[in-house]
Amino acid sequence: GESVGLHLPTLSVQEGDNSIINCAYSNSASDYFIWYKQESGKGPQFIIDIRSNMDKRQGQRVTVLLNKTVKHLSLQIAATQPGDSAVYFCAEVGGTSYGKLTFGQGTILTVHP
Amino acid sequence: DAGITQSPRHKVTETGTPVTLRCHQTENHRYMYWYRQDPGHGLRLIHYSYGVKDTDKGEVSDGYSVSRSKTEDFLLTLESATSSQTSVYFCATGTGVQETQYFGPGTRLLVL
Repeated sequence: GESVGLHLPTLSVQEGDNSIINCAYSNSASDYFIWYKQESGKGPQFIIDIRSNMDKRQGQRVTVLLNKTVKHLSLQIAATQPGDSAVYFCAEVGGTSYGKLTFGQGTILTVHP
Repeated sequence: DAGITQSPRHKVTETGTPVTLRCHQTENHRYMYWYRQDPGHGLRLIHYSYGVKDTDKGEVSDGYSVSRSKTEDFLLTLESATSSQTSVYFCATGTGVQETQYFGPGTRLLVL
């Protein structure tokens, strides 16, 4: 079936570096994408989203890029901090009547002080 | 967390017993969802609701039922718990089909 996946299961960076987390999706009908952050023992936390009519969206220290041609999403975190250490999921929405989210497996980001 | 609480936060139960998990939201969101999260499977949708008394199945609904008698509450029932239902259960809410879903803190369920 359709799925959303991540290229890298783990990413380790130094504090202050920029981080890039990638995600490939396979459903060309998906038209809304969300990045979530999940810390240990907590629920997924919304970070940023993007709709298919955009190719870039910026938030506070985060930027999401969408390349529909190659069905690829990325999350860029500027000046990564130890508090950014978590699992990051991309999720896609599309093709259903109820807002079904299809999640990737997640990337573990570890930030070293 | 968009005003979402889940109860209980932790539960240990025995195989064959019924279990009910509660999700409560204060945001008046129309849509509510129940997911389970397991290693190697990520988050999978169990059931969802698109309004009071309006519910439908997700991708892993066998062995589960739900009810929504009020906008703010969405209950998930394991009719006869099995060890394969040991998992972390998350509730989520959303305002619309193409809108963000906000997640609760989760319930850790262990079925012995």
